[in-house]
Amino acid sequence: AQTVTQSQPEMSVQEAETVTLSCTYDTSENNYYLFWYKQPPSRQMILVIRQEAYKQQNATENRFSVNFQKAAKSFSLKISDSQLGDTAMYFCAFMKMYNDMRFGAGTRLTVKP
Amino acid sequence: DVKVTQSSRYLVKRTGEKVFLECVQDMDHENMFWYRQDPGLGLRLIYFSYDVKMKEKGDIPEGYSVSREKKERFSLILESASTNQTSMYLCASTPLVRGRNIIREQYFGPGTRLTVT
Repeated sequence: AQTVTQSQPEMSVQEAETVTLSCTYDTSENNYYLFWYKQPPSRQMILVIRQEAYKQQNATENRFSVNFQKAAKSFSLKISDSQLGDTAMYFCAFMKMYNDMRFGAGTRLTVKP
Repeated sequence: DVKVTQSSRYLVKRTGEKVFLECVQDMDHENMFWYRQDPGLGLRLIYFSYDVKMKEKGDIPEGYSVSREKKERFSLILESASTNQTSMYLCASTPLVRGRNIIREQYFGPGTRLTVT
């Protein structure tokens, strides 16, 4: 079974600075999908960014970008120009098939004013 | 926008009670999921369904059952609630997309925080 590891239970960053959240995963598959989800306090979980393993180019979505290292099985999330609204729990997720999504334990990010 | 709703945000039940958690999605998605979220453990899959009246066990199905009588509604049932089922429960859905290398992310409901006393 695939496993996803987020080694940073909690992180903090000053507003307007850059922060990187780490994620590693373990799989023998070659084709799969990786996601970062954001869960703000008392609010719905939403997708931040996704990456297809067959694509070498790192995905970006505005201030959010990933560093996807397939050989190292690493999928980190970089948040640039951090904003107070980025305060949330962030989950890294791995999916091979639609019915087999694996989540990491999460990283609680606090953006400080 | 995809909308996934759950019947309650907070629920308090007593040990031994039968508990129903309801989830409704409005985007005609084929696949629906129930997860529980616990600190330090992330999300763990309880059950999923890929069609009406179809269900498959996830990683932690013990103590739970599900029902999917209509495409838009997926219910999680705790037959006899126990204190170790105190948790946040998240419902999710995703469309079935046929085609190579085409996958869609899961869309989540707001969650139900269940406390069993």
